[in-house]
Amino acid sequence: QVQLQESGPGLMKPSETLSLTCTVSGVSISSYYWGWIRQPPGKGLEWIGYIYDSGSTNYNPSLKSRLTISVDTSKNQFSLNLSSVTAADTAVYYCARVSTYSSSSPKWFDPWGQGTLVTVSS
Amino acid sequence: SYVLTQPPSMSVAPGETARITCGGDNIGSKTFHWYQQKAGQAPALVMFYGSDRPSGIPERFSGSNSGNTATLTISRVEAGDEADYYCQVWDSSSDHPVFGGGTKLTVL
Repeated sequence: QVQLQESGPGLMKPSETLSLTCTVSGVSISSYYWGWIRQPPGKGLEWIGYIYDSGSTNYNPSLKSRLTISVDTSKNQFSLNLSSVTAADTAVYYCARVSTYSSSSPKWFDPWGQGTLVTVSS
Repeated sequence: SYVLTQPPSMSVAPGETARITCGGDNIGSKTFHWYQQKAGQAPALVMFYGSDRPSGIPERFSGSNSGNTATLTISRVEAGDEADYYCQVWDSSSDHPVFGGGTKLTVL
């Protein structure tokens, strides 16, 4: 059974860099896509970005200038770094596996981690 | 960028049928996926590739795509189906996902 677990700081100050890690268990992180999605309080889902185990990435254009997603196959983890955070980055952050039949096929997210709330406040 | 439109809310009585819709341009060419998010929980996949149910999802859940609308249908609705439901497609031109705004399903 594939399981994902996010870990991160919880509370941050504006202008700091958010660092989150997703630990994957039950499957090797290799040969899959892995993604980050966030949900501001009371709002809908916003895709952040995803990474393939080779290190190739695709980012939400609205976050691209501040965002880095990386993978550590030795630890079966992937990570998110979001710089210069503001109150608008306050959200529950989810990691998820990106599932697909092939690299050129439509993709979906399954399973998801339980999520971690990140609050940005001075 | 591609936009998916969902009604913000809907309500249905237990035992009735809920039809949650998702609209977008040229929707007939898209492959839809659906997620259920119960209060305080992470989203969970309930339908992929339009009409395929993941293991553990009851047959009461079905999906379809016709005209300009994709639909998640929940038959014989139960109290436990009360949740937010999100549709999602993969935009092939940008190679990234697009989520609908979500529909809050209330079971009366």
